[in-house]
Amino acid sequence: NAGVTQTPKFQVLKTGQSMTLQCAQDMNHEYMSWYRQDPGMGLRLIHYSVGAGITDQGEVPNGYNVSRSTTEDFPLRLLSAAPSQTSVYFCASKERTGTGDNEQFFGPGTRLTVL
Amino acid sequence: AQSVAQPEDQVNVAEGNPLTVKCTYSVSGNPYLFWYVQYPNRGLQFLLKYITGDNLVKGSYGFEAEFNKSQTSFHLKKPSALVSDSALYFCAVRMGGYQKVTFGIGTKLQVIP
Repeated sequence: NAGVTQTPKFQVLKTGQSMTLQCAQDMNHEYMSWYRQDPGMGLRLIHYSVGAGITDQGEVPNGYNVSRSTTEDFPLRLLSAAPSQTSVYFCASKERTGTGDNEQFFGPGTRLTVL
Repeated sequence: AQSVAQPEDQVNVAEGNPLTVKCTYSVSGNPYLFWYVQYPNRGLQFLLKYITGDNLVKGSYGFEAEFNKSQTSFHLKKPSALVSDSALYFCAVRMGGYQKVTFGIGTKLQVIP
């Protein structure tokens, strides 16, 4: 298993540009999520999905769009990049089974700089 | 609503000494609690979790955590710290029946040789 993969690893954008951060998992996990990590703020949830065709907003969804057409893929779109979106972005997935809860598996991250 | 607090930005401990990284939480229902570790330039890795049952939970790399309902705490502990334990540690909470997971801001653990 490759686990959770993210591309690209690094990206520099100019203000106003758009781009898509890719995330894929090969573990057949139903739940996937996107976080951004900023110094002193920990991880903040942007969007999440509990299955193909179902997405919902997290804490900081403004400026980002997501879709979930397949179980494997959960891309994050920046519509019009702003310097405030400079951050490290992590994708995560987990199983949504059983009576307990399951841990999340994280990708290696995408470091995004918006000039 | 749910929240988690990690009151220490950084914890320094000498190699071989016991370590504690603190976490307190606030949820309106039964909590699911997690600890993750992040090494430099890497994604987060799962360490351990509390769902129900014994208050003392054992996890990866010799770490354990104690769930204390009355103090709403879930402190991470290890009896003998290693230099390789130096990393950023995140506590996370999820309320039962609720999909969103809330992370703390992280505590940097520095183990001094």
